[in-house]
Amino acid sequence: ETGVTQTPRHLVMGMTNKKSLKCEQHLGHNAMYWYKQSAKKPLELMFVYNFKEQTENNSVPSRFSPECPNSSHLFLHLHTLQPEDSALYLCASSQEVTSGGARTDTQYFGPGTRLTVL
Amino acid sequence: GQNIDQPTEMTATEGAIVQINCTYQTSGFNGLFWYQQHAGEAPTFLSYNVLDGLEEKGRFSSFLSRSKGYSYLLLKELQMKDSASYLCAVRDSNYQLIWGAGTKLIIKP
Repeated sequence: ETGVTQTPRHLVMGMTNKKSLKCEQHLGHNAMYWYKQSAKKPLELMFVYNFKEQTENNSVPSRFSPECPNSSHLFLHLHTLQPEDSALYLCASSQEVTSGGARTDTQYFGPGTRLTVL
Repeated sequence: GQNIDQPTEMTATEGAIVQINCTYQTSGFNGLFWYQQHAGEAPTFLSYNVLDGLEEKGRFSSFLSRSKGYSYLLLKELQMKDSASYLCAVRDSNYQLIWGAGTKLIIKP
């Protein structure tokens, strides 16, 4: 049990569907992340929220829309996806700590949502 | 550009020792992480190195040489449950994590 949960665990959708992925962290952290994991490729950071404010958006297509209503919940809204968007979508959280000007945090991951776009 | 290199796949025998290497070229360095990921599961944190040297944690140890841009994860007394992917990640000068593609470790009886 990592303290980060994700639903659904598996999702199959057509290119015209709209769906949402949900992430919840029970660790009291102040930062949350969405990653895309494709086979044999490095994790790709999609979005970062610190204190509910989006601080990074790594050139992600607009068909992916994040939402962070509070520090414990994170959503990823999906619409008109493409087959190449099929991947494992991982949520992570961390507690950002500043010590002497340096930022330290370890990210803790949820189990992911396996997304298949037909 | 920034790059993390680690072997794609390794095979080892139960009870043996295996070393998984990771080399990096990043804009700045603010720590290196190792994660373990079993198939279909979440990556789980294994170790963090920010200073040169060896960090030991039970059967797992992680080594860092900042001057060489090099780290390794050492797994001793291998067990079948150690079959997993091992991810290396480096935090750059912007405190962004740069990830390797992972090393799939296969343990044989």
